[in-house]
Amino acid sequence: NAGVTQTPKFRILKIGQSMTLQCTQDMNHNYMYWYRQDPGMGLKLIYYSVGAGITDKGEVPNGYNVSRSTTEDFPLRLELAAPSQTSVYFCASSWDRGQGNQPQHFGDGTRLSIL
Amino acid sequence: GDSVTQMEGPVTLSEEAFLTINCTYTATGYPSLFWYVQYPGEGLQLLLKATKADDKGSNKGFEATYRKETTSFHLEKGSVQVSDSAVYFCALSPSNDYKLSFGAGTTVTVRA
Repeated sequence: NAGVTQTPKFRILKIGQSMTLQCTQDMNHNYMYWYRQDPGMGLKLIYYSVGAGITDKGEVPNGYNVSRSTTEDFPLRLELAAPSQTSVYFCASSWDRGQGNQPQHFGDGTRLSIL
Repeated sequence: GDSVTQMEGPVTLSEEAFLTINCTYTATGYPSLFWYVQYPGEGLQLLLKATKADDKGSNKGFEATYRKETTSFHLEKGSVQVSDSAVYFCALSPSNDYKLSFGAGTTVTVRA
């Protein structure tokens, strides 16, 4: 089983460039999430989605956009890359009915550097 | 708001030593509590969970008990192996919510 797949694994961007981080899951999970992981800071939620066509902001959404046109895919877009967005990005998914007791399944991450 | 506090690392141990990683939380109601593990170069994997007070989660020799009276969910393993070297994250999801709040993570290195 593939689980949650993220592409690319590594990327270097110049300031002001844009890019899309891809995330797809094959578990038919309704909930999907994007996190960023900074050293010593744990994971911070950027955006999340509870189903196709529905997205909402997390804790640190500024500078990012998302869409959820299908159950499987949840891309994250950076429009104008800034050095503060240098981080490791994780996509996750879960099957949940809003009760908060289901585990999230994570991809292997995208390491993004902005220079 | 809801939050999780983990003991700071890094933690370095010898093989077969006892491991404890402290985790305390602040939350209203009855959150669900999780431990995730991140091996080098990989994403996070669920290690264990507990969804109500006094529940004990266990997996791969690791255990943690949900203690509401002390708002804690400490992770323990009686005899660690080199393969347990990883970053460990404590996390909670509030009652009737699905979003996770993570601790900062504790890096554990086990030496042969």
